[in-house]
Amino acid sequence: EILLTQSPGTLSLSPGERATLSCRASQSVSSTYLAWYQQKPGQAPRLLISDASSRATGIPDRFSGSGSGTDFTLTISRLEPEDFAVYYCHQYDRSPPYTFGQGTRLEIK
Amino acid sequence: QVHLQQWGAGLLKPSETLSLTCGVYGGSSSGYYWSWIRQPPGKGLEWIGEVNHYEGTNYKPSLKSRVTMSVDTSLNQIFLSLSSVTAADTAVYYCARQRKYPFIQPFDIWGLGTKVTVSS
Repeated sequence: EILLTQSPGTLSLSPGERATLSCRASQSVSSTYLAWYQQKPGQAPRLLISDASSRATGIPDRFSGSGSGTDFTLTISRLEPEDFAVYYCHQYDRSPPYTFGQGTRLEIK
Repeated sequence: QVHLQQWGAGLLKPSETLSLTCGVYGGSSSGYYWSWIRQPPGKGLEWIGEVNHYEGTNYKPSLKSRVTMSVDTSLNQIFLSLSSVTAADTAVYYCARQRKYPFIQPFDIWGLGTKVTVSS
């Protein structure tokens, strides 16, 4: 089972600032099978990024993903008020079990 | 637009069996993999298992002895059964869709979630 560790646990920033979220895998993730989700209170997760760097349909271009192997990053270039939420990374490397990181809470400073 | 609607009992006693259904609307359940994912209160996401009409099931090893998933493509419904529940199974349970062909994708469509509480 691939373990995913996200950092930081909580990130406090202001609207307009840049956010950088990290996700580290316990072993290499094949073919960049790494996704990012956004979750707001009381809602289901929403897919933001697939294959480490491909934005899902309808996701604004201020969201970008990068990385390969064991180190991945989600960057939000200029925070909007609606971006404050919890973000999860997720690996879907070939065969299950699939795993998620523990989440990064992005809060308004 | 495909959406998923979930239903099932929200309050269980210890040792009972959790049963949830996920209905697929606006699309077909065939050709996709369907996962159940849960989220304990205030915690992160845990993948429980997946089912595909043609290729069967895969379950998280630690839950395998208690989990059964199935899909009825004629009804466009996916089912989850989790036996011998305890308080540790208290969570919001989500169903989610995944494509694996021609290439594997993450979960792109999620149900709204069903809150399940296990309490005596």
